[in-house]
Amino acid sequence: AQSVTQPDIHITVSEGASLELRCNYSYGATPYLFWYVQSPGQGLQLLLKYFSGDTLVQGIKGFEAEFKRSQSSFNLRKPSVHWSDAAEYFCAVGATSGTYKYIFGTGTRLKVLA
Amino acid sequence: GAGVSQSPRYKVAKRGQDVALRCDPISGHVSLFWYQQALGQGPEFLTYFQNEAQLDKSGLPSDRFFAERPEGSVSTLKIQRTQQEDSAVYLCASSLDLNSPLHFGNGTRLTVT
Repeated sequence: AQSVTQPDIHITVSEGASLELRCNYSYGATPYLFWYVQSPGQGLQLLLKYFSGDTLVQGIKGFEAEFKRSQSSFNLRKPSVHWSDAAEYFCAVGATSGTYKYIFGTGTRLKVLA
Repeated sequence: GAGVSQSPRYKVAKRGQDVALRCDPISGHVSLFWYQQALGQGPEFLTYFQNEAQLDKSGLPSDRFFAERPEGSVSTLKIQRTQQEDSAVYLCASSLDLNSPLHFGNGTRLTVT
């Protein structure tokens, strides 16, 4: 069955520190992979996506993610966190051929200490 | 341009009432999705439209849930005889096509008392 696991429910980092949010997926075919961010009371904003090609993808707000097929992972990273990055982050997976049932993880809530 | 717009932002309904939630997708977006996000959870798929055609409604939790998109633009999610377990944020998303990322609205928070 298709699934997305985000093992960390909460993460706290100090401003300026590096960040890595974990995402593991289970999918029968080559997936589309996404990271979304959700601020309180807001909808989800796309940070970055992986469809094919280079396994290291760059996104907005200085985020990047690396697709590792052998580990079924798509971890999100940022070298230096800003206080405004505090939010909830969702990893999602979809099929490469015309499906629409994106499956979301349960999210990781990021807290940034000043 | 304008993003996905949802209304109302908040809705409080007494158990047993019917509610209607509206979604205005980005102009020209063919695909429209409804997701349900319970507290502390990720969004879960409810239903999908391609233009006016509802191609998948397998995620709708019961026959009290009904969605439509009659002219291929605005969509309405209707919940009849609301129950407390229907309390959640209902997110609408649209995309240019199936291979494009989703653009989400800010959601409607439904509270059933």
